[in-house]
Amino acid sequence: DTAVSQTPKYLVTQMGNDKSIKCEQNLGHDTMYWYKQDSKKFLKIMFSYNNKELIINETVPNRFSPKSPDKAHLNLHINSLELGDSAVYFCASRPEGKDEQYFGPGTRLTVT
Amino acid sequence: GIQVEQSPPDLILQEGANSTLRCNFSDSVNNLQWFHQNPWGQLINLFYIPSGTKQNGRLSATTVATERYSLLYISSSQTTDSGVYFCAVNTGGFKTIFGAGTRLFVKA
Repeated sequence: DTAVSQTPKYLVTQMGNDKSIKCEQNLGHDTMYWYKQDSKKFLKIMFSYNNKELIINETVPNRFSPKSPDKAHLNLHINSLELGDSAVYFCASRPEGKDEQYFGPGTRLTVT
Repeated sequence: GIQVEQSPPDLILQEGANSTLRCNFSDSVNNLQWFHQNPWGQLINLFYIPSGTKQNGRLSATTVATERYSLLYISSSQTTDSGVYFCAVNTGGFKTIFGAGTRLFVKA
């Protein structure tokens, strides 16, 4: 009965590879987000989708491409991975008309 | 854009002590949330508190929107309270801004 889930939980890969992180929420929320948390624990929004449409793209390199096949899913595909992409990536969702966000467990990406 | 500042950046407490964490923001906000990130990295919702006061067990929070700050009170701290506490604000729309967090360590 997990509300917001992410897969995988850990991802270790080499520079130059392409990888995807998946996010699913079963809360019926309309808006979903991707955040990046760096090594200093600073959390920064990357993307926001509302009803499968991109709303926010916070100057993220175009190697990062979010995809929302339906309202319950928001996946993150990363091309040509770089060392600086190493971080924890969090997915979140929020219901229509409210600002309260619910976070997934995070995906720790390590690029070697 | 809006600035969100949290203080103190780091805090060490003896188990059983009380503490107050502060979040200042530079502009009017539509909402404010407090989160606890536990040592395993999980982000847990503590309070959704755009204004007023709320309490949940040993934790309580107060937001004074007109003065642009929010306080999180932890009473009778326990080792399981350790982690990072974030406040996050939204000024309308879909964008949320997080503060840099307060790192709390509670010693047994």
